[in-house]
Amino acid sequence: GAGVSQSPSNKVTEKGKDVELRCDPISGHTALYWYRQSLGQGLEFLIYFQGNSAPDKSGLPSDRFSAERTGGSVSTLTIQRTQQEDSAVYLCASSLLSGRDTQYFGPGTRLTVL
Amino acid sequence: AQTVTQSQPEMSVQEAETVTLSCTYDTSENNYYLFWYKQPPSRQMILVIRQEAYKQQNATENRFSVNFQKAAKSFSLKISDSQLGDTAMYFCAFTLISGGGADGLTFGKGTHLIIQP
Repeated sequence: GAGVSQSPSNKVTEKGKDVELRCDPISGHTALYWYRQSLGQGLEFLIYFQGNSAPDKSGLPSDRFSAERTGGSVSTLTIQRTQQEDSAVYLCASSLLSGRDTQYFGPGTRLTVL
Repeated sequence: AQTVTQSQPEMSVQEAETVTLSCTYDTSENNYYLFWYKQPPSRQMILVIRQEAYKQQNATENRFSVNFQKAAKSFSLKISDSQLGDTAMYFCAFTLISGGGADGLTFGKGTHLIIQP
């Protein structure tokens, strides 16, 4: 079946602009994760959704970052007033249920902030 | 907090050779999962192998096998008969069972594996 999809594949934006990154999980997967991958920090966990609920948002780097998930499916990661340090690859993953299940990753969105 | 350490930033071997990638982790918990993921230049993170900490038997998947030493907190990946398509970044990752997924995966910094023809 179809895997995790993410859009856009690449995004170039100017400092100070807002961006939205989209993740479409595997059908039927109730858990969804966002990660950030950058040269300096490696792979960082950002946020986890079980259904539409995110129990803990403390992994988000700053209050400019927000995420939501609707209908237990598609999720959007929004970065407001982008900064150059936000440049990274943003990866989304989904799993059937909770942390017991293997996470399957999407191809990521490469964000470049000029 | 859990940490994962991969001490080999880069490795290079000849095609058909066997290579072992090392990973150590630190946790005070007893129940967890360990993973190896492969990330080729396409950026797609692909699961290679998974190990449940409560299982004594080492996981194997075709040419891929692990050496899981729970007491030593070591989780190495062995790739046998290496192929050109194995060239990629390899990440070791950890997650607690008790977290229910809320902690996500903790990753090491990765090992860049190059298979030479």
